[in-house]
Amino acid sequence: EVQLLESGGGLVQPGGSLRLSCAVSGFTFSDYAFAWVRQARGKGLEWVSGITGGGGNLYYADSVKGRFTISRDSSKNTLYLQMNSLRAEDTALYYCARKAGWVGSYPFDQWGQGTQVTVSS
Amino acid sequence: EIVMTQSPATLSVSPGERATLSCRASESVSRNMAWYQQKPGQAPSLLIFDVSTRATGTPARFSGSGSGTEFTLTISSLQSEDFAVYYCQQYNSWPPLTFGGGTKVEI
Repeated sequence: EVQLLESGGGLVQPGGSLRLSCAVSGFTFSDYAFAWVRQARGKGLEWVSGITGGGGNLYYADSVKGRFTISRDSSKNTLYLQMNSLRAEDTALYYCARKAGWVGSYPFDQWGQGTQVTVSS
Repeated sequence: EIVMTQSPATLSVSPGERATLSCRASESVSRNMAWYQQKPGQAPSLLIFDVSTRATGTPARFSGSGSGTEFTLTISSLQSEDFAVYYCQQYNSWPPLTFGGGTKVEI
């Protein structure tokens, strides 16, 4: 069974940091590209960052560029999102999503259940 | 950045009725277009990709059509489990990957 399980969310003060993790199972991790997608409460979906199957190409939304870093560890079958200099507007439910391919143009065919990030003093 | 615009924002229908949801892209996305369904308290799930290909497990009452910049998701006969929010997404030109604002299908 394909599973994506996010963790690492929580309450953090503005300017603080968090590292999100997404542990995957049920498929070959290195065969797929991944992304983080967030959703503020009551709002739509916003793509945040993506990484190719080999980890050689990283992509970021302008809103997080320079503050967030995506990475992957094939030995642990885990995707990460290091979030620094957090702002109130980063408050959202963060989903890990699998792209239906290793590199290139594919939809998101599997999603985790999300981890909540709240940035507030 | 390609902007995806969905209409209507809310669609009120009755079970058994047909529902038509629209999505417009600010420029051509070829056939790299997907629809997702999100039920309350759940993650999105892939319904349709490449404009009209149903994802595994998507019932045949869901169909997608369109090309270029205009796309449609049709639910031929709404079932109770279909009441949800639907998002379109383009994956043709990125980054960034972009989603529409969503259409809520309600009773």
